[in-house]
Amino acid sequence: AQRVTQPEKLLSVFKGAPVELKCNYSYSGSPELFWYVQYSRQRLQLLLRHISRESIKGFTADLNKGETSFHLKKPFAQEEDSAMYYCALSVSGSRLTFGEGTQLTVNP
Amino acid sequence: NAGVMQNPRHLVRRRGQEARLRCSPMKGHSHVYWYRQLPEEGLKFMVYLQKENIIDESGMPKERFSAEFPKEGPSILRIQQVVRGDSAAYFCASSPFPGTNTGELFFGEGSRLTVL
Repeated sequence: AQRVTQPEKLLSVFKGAPVELKCNYSYSGSPELFWYVQYSRQRLQLLLRHISRESIKGFTADLNKGETSFHLKKPFAQEEDSAMYYCALSVSGSRLTFGEGTQLTVNP
Repeated sequence: NAGVMQNPRHLVRRRGQEARLRCSPMKGHSHVYWYRQLPEEGLKFMVYLQKENIIDESGMPKERFSAEFPKEGPSILRIQQVVRGDSAAYFCASSPFPGTNTGELFFGEGSRLTVL
């Protein structure tokens, strides 16, 4: 069965420090993976997708099929990055399976 | 574009009553997804609908829950004979594209159901 695991419920870093939010998945098919973000008092929104190999707001994520991981990274965290982050896997092209989320706090 | 609209935002029901949650997708979106978030848990997929069709209902409980997305009007998630365990936030998302391989779902603000 498909599964997305985010091992850290809470992550706290200082402004300017590097940040890495971990995501591991299990899926027998070809994985399509995404990161969603929810800022305080805002809706859940797509941050980036692995297929695009893009950098959004300084964040990148690389799909590592050998380690079945899709960790989200940013070299220098900003206070405005504080939010809830969810890793998501497209299953059978008809639904997204979400991890339980990581609450990132960037301290001044 | 007003975004995905869900109502009511908050709903209180007593055990045994019915709950109806409505979702109006973004303009031009004909694909709707419902998710449930129980306290202290992540988002769990419930159902994927296109206009007048249920595409994937693998996450729906077998009893008391139903969903529809008629040709006209919002998508409705209906919970009959609610129990305390149904207390949760229910999120709707819409997409202009079929399926989830693009990953681009637009979420509403959610409807929080409390069962007394």
